[in-house]
Amino acid sequence: GAGVSQSPSNKVTEKGKDVELRCDPISGHTALYWYRQSLGQGLEFLIYFQGNSAPDKSGLPSDRFSAERTGGSVSTLTIQRTQQEDSAVYLCASSLDRFINEKLFFGSGTQLSVL
Amino acid sequence: DAKTTQPNSMESNEEEPVHLPCNHSTISGTDYIHWYRQLPSQGPEYVIHGLTSNVNNRMASLAIAEDRKSSTLILHRATLRDAAVYYCILMRTSGSRLTFGEGTQLTVNP
Repeated sequence: GAGVSQSPSNKVTEKGKDVELRCDPISGHTALYWYRQSLGQGLEFLIYFQGNSAPDKSGLPSDRFSAERTGGSVSTLTIQRTQQEDSAVYLCASSLDRFINEKLFFGSGTQLSVL
Repeated sequence: DAKTTQPNSMESNEEEPVHLPCNHSTISGTDYIHWYRQLPSQGPEYVIHGLTSNVNNRMASLAIAEDRKSSTLILHRATLRDAAVYYCILMRTSGSRLTFGEGTQLTVNP
């Protein structure tokens, strides 16, 4: 596709369940980022991938959060034992490379609601 | 990460110019200044970025103060579609991420 694709667009889950959020970056983009945005707030950095490795995962809020990237393309963010405070929009972005001149292209996000 | 300060909100009228300010007094010599905007229910969208010189593109202009401690995003003729939250962000050469602040909510009145 032409842009960053995220699925699902909406996810409602019960507290304690695990969820997986998927990101398809723009083809050829080596850098991939996950952010989350709580209602009415700014974006909070979660993790960054360069290729399949994650040199910066300092933003993951707890060990319930993990992410992987395979084939230098698709990435999955997994949240185990979801809590109500995990409710937010999870945004994925990709860029051609990690250099500071590169633009980030964002997907439309996954709205996660934990009941 | 170096901090940026922006007004929480601004208003403009359609077809008038808009100047969105950003203060970044702790900017270091190699930090790039990036601007993104976020329309309702969408992910952020790149607007413009620069280092020292003023920059122009089809969307906007970026005016950077001589001491680089502040910058201004200029929308030359605001349209209703420009209503969004505008984020001013510093990107470190050693960094791997953009750190978003609270941004400025721009309202454009018809």
